Amino acid sequence: GENVEQHPSTLSVQEGDSAVIKCTYSDSASNYFPWYKQELGKRPQLIIDIRSNVGEKKDQRIAVTLNKTAKHFSLHITETQPEDSAVYFCAALSGSARQLTFGSGTQLTVLP
Amino acid sequence: NAGVTQTPKFQVLKTGQSMTLQCAQDMNHEYMSWYRQDPGMGLRLIHYSVGAGITDQGEVPNGYNVSRSTTEDFPLRLLSAAPSQTSVYFCASSYQGTEKLFFGSGTQLSVL
Repeated sequence: GENVEQHPSTLSVQEGDSAVIKCTYSDSASNYFPWYKQELGKRPQLIIDIRSNVGEKKDQRIAVTLNKTAKHFSLHITETQPEDSAVYFCAALSGSARQLTFGSGTQLTVLP
Repeated sequence: NAGVTQTPKFQVLKTGQSMTLQCAQDMNHEYMSWYRQDPGMGLRLIHYSVGAGITDQGEVPNGYNVSRSTTEDFPLRLLSAAPSQTSVYFCASSYQGTEKLFFGSGTQLSVL
């Protein structure tokens, strides 16, 4: 089945700096890669997603890049703000099972 | 719309007890699923359903049963609770497939 690895597990940045979270996946047939944000005690919420026919997607301060050859994708957050502090999960939609496999999460802390 | 509603929010069980976690959505979503969230392990799929009357196993189905008699409801049953089932449980739904999941607010379950 699909295996998704996410790094780093924790990340601290100064307010205004950029943050990058990376994920690798194992199933070359995976074709959909979402990112979810989970604030403390809250439910995960979709913040951005990308399909395998696109290399990059942006939405204001967040962007996702995908390298199909290397089987990795990354979340980029620019001009970080304290409200960006949360756990971020990547996921991949496997080609065969058609179910999402999630990474283990990254705790992002934005220091004021 | 209320979205995805989960009950209860908190539950404590003794080993061997059974219970049902409730999940309901009012968005007319075909796809519904149950995940468990454990520290450092991301979200793992327990069971899912692509429509009324159809259910299937996910990554960690042992010890859990589901049914989907209506489009709106997708209850998760713990047959004989074990301490290993202590976790936070999230129900999620989407219009079609596993893209753009909407999560419920979660149930924190402790099995003593």
